[in-house]
Amino acid sequence: GENVEQHPSTLSVQEGDSAVIKCTYSDSASNYFPWYKQELGKRPQLIIDIRSNVGEKKDQRIAVTLNKTAKHFSLHITETQPEDSAVYFCAASGNTPLVFGKGTRLSVIA
Amino acid sequence: NAGVTQTPKFRVLKTGQSMTLLCAQDMNHEYMYWYRQDPGMGLRLIHYSVGEGTTAKGEVPDGYNVSRLKKQNFLLGLESAAPSQTSVYFCASSATGSLNQPQHFGDGTRLSIL
Repeated sequence: GENVEQHPSTLSVQEGDSAVIKCTYSDSASNYFPWYKQELGKRPQLIIDIRSNVGEKKDQRIAVTLNKTAKHFSLHITETQPEDSAVYFCAASGNTPLVFGKGTRLSVIA
Repeated sequence: NAGVTQTPKFRVLKTGQSMTLLCAQDMNHEYMYWYRQDPGMGLRLIHYSVGEGTTAKGEVPDGYNVSRLKKQNFLLGLESAAPSQTSVYFCASSATGSLNQPQHFGDGTRLSIL
């Protein structure tokens, strides 16, 4: 089955700097790659997703890139703000339900 | 439009007790999912359903049962609770079509087994 590895597990950045979180997946049949943000005590919320027919997608300060050959995808957050502090999860699915990475705790230091 | 609603929000059980967690969605979504979230483990799929009357096992199904008698509801049952089932449980739903659709999560149920 699918296996998703996510790195780093924790990440601290200064406000205004960029943050990058990376994920790798194992199943070449996977074609959908969402990213979720979970604030403390809250539900996971979708922030951006990408499908295998595109290599990059942007939404204001966040972007996701996908390298199908290498089986990895990354989340990029630019101009980080304190409200970006949260746990971020990547996930992958193809013919089976989403498999989530273990999460990255991002701390943005003002 | 409430989205995905989970009840209860908190519960404490004794080992061996049984209980049912309820998930309701008002988005007319075909697919529904139950996850558990443990520290450092991410979200792990317990069971899921691709339509009314259907259920399937996920990654960690042992000790749990589910039912989808109505399209809008997905129930998760613990027949004989164990301390290892202490966790935060999230329900999610997604639209018809395939498993590759955005999932909408409920607020979670924090369950403690003593």
